[in-house]
Amino acid sequence: GENVEQHPSTLSVQEGDSAVIKCTYSDSASNYFPWYKQELGKGPQLIIDIRSNVGEKKDQRIAVTLNKTAKHFSLHITETQPEDSAVYFCAASLSNYQLIWGAGTKLIIKP
Amino acid sequence: SAVISQKPSRDICQRGTSLTIQCQVDSQVTMMFWYRQQPGQSLTLIATANQGSEATYESGFVIDKFPISRPNLTFSTLTVSNLSPEDSSIYLCSVESTGRGTDTQYFGPGTRLTVL
Repeated sequence: GENVEQHPSTLSVQEGDSAVIKCTYSDSASNYFPWYKQELGKGPQLIIDIRSNVGEKKDQRIAVTLNKTAKHFSLHITETQPEDSAVYFCAASLSNYQLIWGAGTKLIIKP
Repeated sequence: SAVISQKPSRDICQRGTSLTIQCQVDSQVTMMFWYRQQPGQSLTLIATANQGSEATYESGFVIDKFPISRPNLTFSTLTVSNLSPEDSSIYLCSVESTGRGTDTQYFGPGTRLTVL
């Protein structure tokens, strides 16, 4: 079955710098890749997603890239701010809303 | 995106008792999902709840332990039965987003359960 690996588990960056989180998936048939942000005490919030017919998608300071050949996708956050501190989860989906989740990355923004 | 609320937001329960968690959505959705998130861990799908049919449970989760109701297109409940300390987790409901395309899910704020 599908497996999603996420790295790093913890990422500490200086405020204003960029952060990159990477995920790899095992099933080449996966076609939907969302990223969620979870702040302490809250539910996961969808921040960006990408489908397999697109290589890159941007939304202000956030971007996601997808390499179908290598079966990996990455979240890029530029000009990081203190409010970006959270746990970020990637996921991959084959179909029918079955999301396979990465283990999560704790992003720490240092002032 | 849909607005999703959960009740209670947190609870402390004694072992052997049960807790029922409610999930309310501000729009009609076909598919609702229940997840468990153990402390510091990722999300694990418990079951998928479609209106008008029995819930579909993932491997390792059974109806006797996690009965689910889905009486209409905006509401669902998850009961965690015969509680043990190992059930201490965050329980999350999510819904599929109609009109956005397949696979997209939006989550409620979660219910933090502590079992003593």
